[in-house]
Amino acid sequence: DGGITQSPKYLFRKEGQNVTLSCEQNLNHDAMYWYRQDPGQGLRLIYYSQIVNDFQKGDIAEGYSVSREKKESFPLTVTSAQKNPTAFYLCASSMRRAGAFYEQYFGPGTRLTVT
Amino acid sequence: AQKVTQAQTEISVVEKEDVTLDCVYETRDTTYYLFWYKQPPSGELVFLIRRNSFDEQNEISGRYSWNFQKSTSSFNFTITASQVVDSAVYFCALSEPRLDDKIIFGKGTRLHILP
Repeated sequence: DGGITQSPKYLFRKEGQNVTLSCEQNLNHDAMYWYRQDPGQGLRLIYYSQIVNDFQKGDIAEGYSVSREKKESFPLTVTSAQKNPTAFYLCASSMRRAGAFYEQYFGPGTRLTVT
Repeated sequence: AQKVTQAQTEISVVEKEDVTLDCVYETRDTTYYLFWYKQPPSGELVFLIRRNSFDEQNEISGRYSWNFQKSTSSFNFTITASQVVDSAVYFCALSEPRLDDKIIFGKGTRLHILP
């Protein structure tokens, strides 16, 4: 089955610790994205990557870091510099072709709680 | 700046009623894409539909239909004969190719279908 996996589904951390959220896709998509969702809010873009070994900041990149060493993987690290890290994190991917645009498909999400 | 407005924060209807979710967008581009996503209680966003700005034909898929009107910058979503399983948060979204294919999401409409 093709899809996007995120692990774990629930994650608990103490304040001051870095934590890495996993995102893997086997859809052969070029682009991958990380979003943050807070209660009652829409999705806000953290980072995105259109090709391997390249990524760009989204609207709320401060306190987060990413890497894209493989096409199928786009892990997100929530660092201790992120002031309000407790949120629901969604990973997505999409195909990209010159002159064409495709919808994004989402993983099941990781709910991070920092106390 | 591009923007997506979903004025209805929360809607409740009784099962089997029809319900329309409103979406109004702002963009300066002539080429853009519009989307609807469903987020059930499990949290994963499910892609429902994509429209490009050059295709104003309305679309119907089973009990779902979409009305795209460029004259009013609206892309409304109607569920006919609603069912309890339709209960979810629905997001309207906009993307412009010149923005690296980033998607701007509205804040969502929470739909409750009452049995």
